[in-house]
Amino acid sequence: AQSVTQPDIHITVSEGASLELRCNYSYGATPYLFWYVQSPGQGLQLLLKYFSGDTLVQGIKGFEAEFKRSQSSFNLRKPSVHWSDAAEYFCAVMVSNFGNEKLTFGTGTRLTIIP
Amino acid sequence: DAGITQSPRHKVTETGTPVTLRCHQTENHRYMYWYRQDPGHGLRLIHYSYGVKDTDKGEVSDGYSVSRSKTEDFLLTLESATSSQTSVYFCAISDRANYGYTFGSGTRLTVV
Repeated sequence: AQSVTQPDIHITVSEGASLELRCNYSYGATPYLFWYVQSPGQGLQLLLKYFSGDTLVQGIKGFEAEFKRSQSSFNLRKPSVHWSDAAEYFCAVMVSNFGNEKLTFGTGTRLTIIP
Repeated sequence: DAGITQSPRHKVTETGTPVTLRCHQTENHRYMYWYRQDPGHGLRLIHYSYGVKDTDKGEVSDGYSVSRSKTEDFLLTLESATSSQTSVYFCAISDRANYGYTFGSGTRLTVV
């Protein structure tokens, strides 16, 4: 069965510093991969997704992620974080089951920004 | 989120009582999902629907049932609520063409 691992439960970064959130997946075929962000008390918002092609994908809010098949990873990056980036971030993998696609989520990484 | 609403937003109920949560969409999307979110577990799929009257179980379906009699509504029912079902419940809809999920704002359910 597919799975997603986010090894960092909580990360603290200074405002203006760079950010990398880690995500590893386990899936037999080429997966569809996603990053979502959740602000406190809110639902989840899609940051970016990877289906195929260029392994570096750009998303909203200045985020990007790189798919590395050899490492089964899909890490999220941002060159310079802003205080408004404080949130919880979820990596997810989509599995297609006879056309009934389902998202499997990691356990999330909570990002704290310090001045 | 625009196009998807969950009701109620908050609910406190007693152990053993039935509870129904509603997800309503105006996007005419085929796929609808119910997830629960718990600390340390991320989001886990409870049930999903791939069309009217077509539903299937997710990874944590025990104690939950769903119904979808119209494209726009997907109901999640806890037949007899237990304290372990205290959680935040999210509904999501999907346009398969984009494979992107749109999430509702969630329902915070407390079972006392």
